Amino acid sequence: DIQMTQSPSSLSASVGDRVTITCRASQGIRNDLGWYQQKPGKAPKRLIYAASSLQSGVPSRFSGSGSGTEFTLTISSLQPEDFATYYCLQHNSYPVTFGPGTKVDIK
Amino acid sequence: QVQLQESGPGLVKPSQTLSLTCTVSGDSISSGGYYWSWIRQYPGKGLEWIGYIYYSGTTYYNPSLKSRVTISVDTSKNQFSLKVSSVSAADTAVYYCARGAGSSDYWGQGTLVTVSS
Repeated sequence: DIQMTQSPSSLSASVGDRVTITCRASQGIRNDLGWYQQKPGKAPKRLIYAASSLQSGVPSRFSGSGSGTEFTLTISSLQPEDFATYYCLQHNSYPVTFGPGTKVDIK
Repeated sequence: QVQLQESGPGLVKPSQTLSLTCTVSGDSISSGGYYWSWIRQYPGKGLEWIGYIYYSGTTYYNPSLKSRVTISVDTSKNQFSLKVSSVSAADTAVYYCARGAGSSDYWGQGTLVTVSS
């Protein structure tokens, strides 16, 4: 199985901050990566697919980049509704595997 | 608007079989446009992909669960189902159904299944 790691595991930030989360794959996965946001008691919501494509309806302050083994999710200006846990997912090789998550909370 | 809804018992006894159904609206499983998946999330928040099914019945299961999992489809009802046999407390999780075999775009709200006597 391809192992996914994320850093940091948690971070504290203020409204308006630029936030970057990194996801690394244990082997190359081309751009077969998605980013998800999850709020308490809710299902994960897809933000980014194919590493850098913005899901329809998702604010443009979210962006993704990377290919191969290293990927980033950037929130250009953190908003109150962005405090949540973020997961990456790879689907280059089955089984699909998820990163352990990054919790973003209020500083 | 695509919607998925999980249904099934919220409490299952150890060694028994967990059974869940996902009802899809706003899309047709039989159209063949997507694969349909099950994913679970443990109380500690880790996510595990269980497997997928295609309208034709083609399946793929996570090897970690393969011996205990069956996913089936009923295109006449626009539903797909999950069975996990010989459950233990380690199978306690929120179970989600989703559209897509990889980076799923639509997810159900999830249903908590607790394994306990």
